[in-house]
Amino acid sequence: AQSVTQPDIHITVSEGASLELRCNYSYGATPYLFWYVQSPGQGLQLLLKYFSGDTLVQGIKGFEAEFKRSQSSFNLRKPSVHWSDAAEYFCAAPYTGTASKLTFGTGTRLQVTL
Amino acid sequence: ETGVTQSPTHLIKTRGQQVTLRCSSQSGHNTVSWYQQALGQGPQFIFQYYREEENGRGNFPPRFSGLQFPNYSSELNVNALELDDSALYLCASSKTLAGVNNEQFFGPGTRLTVL
Repeated sequence: AQSVTQPDIHITVSEGASLELRCNYSYGATPYLFWYVQSPGQGLQLLLKYFSGDTLVQGIKGFEAEFKRSQSSFNLRKPSVHWSDAAEYFCAAPYTGTASKLTFGTGTRLQVTL
Repeated sequence: ETGVTQSPTHLIKTRGQQVTLRCSSQSGHNTVSWYQQALGQGPQFIFQYYREEENGRGNFPPRFSGLQFPNYSSELNVNALELDDSALYLCASSKTLAGVNNEQFFGPGTRLTVL
């Protein structure tokens, strides 16, 4: 089974600054990887997903992520952060073979200062 | 198109009691998964229901059980509540099991507090 690790518990960035959230995975074959965002009182929303092909994946809200097999990473990036991006971000991978059961990292809380 | 809804929003129970949480899947979705999210943690997979049958279970004891109804809505039941069961319980629905292109859509969750 795949597993994911998010090394950063909490990150603070200034509005307009760039953002990179880290995610490391452990799995032998080509993994399936996801990034979700959770705002207070909201359910999880899918930002983007990687299944195969192009290693740079574009998502919603201006986010992108790059799959790097050599580093076992799938880091989330955004060139310019907005105050509304403050939320909890989760990296996820399939719990078993199908993408309909997921295992999540412990999350990174993003704080945006004005 | 109505999204995934969950009820109740919040719930307070005492140790040893039983609780039932409810989830209405998104229209056209026949698969429902349940997750437990403890404070400061990522969601953990509890189990999944597909066409009214359990289809996979995470590392949770049997006192966590569920049902899926013909309209694909679902219930999560927890017996003999323990303090550690305090968490946000998330429900997610998807169109079907197979393949990697079936996105899960999450509900807002039910916050359970066990005293």
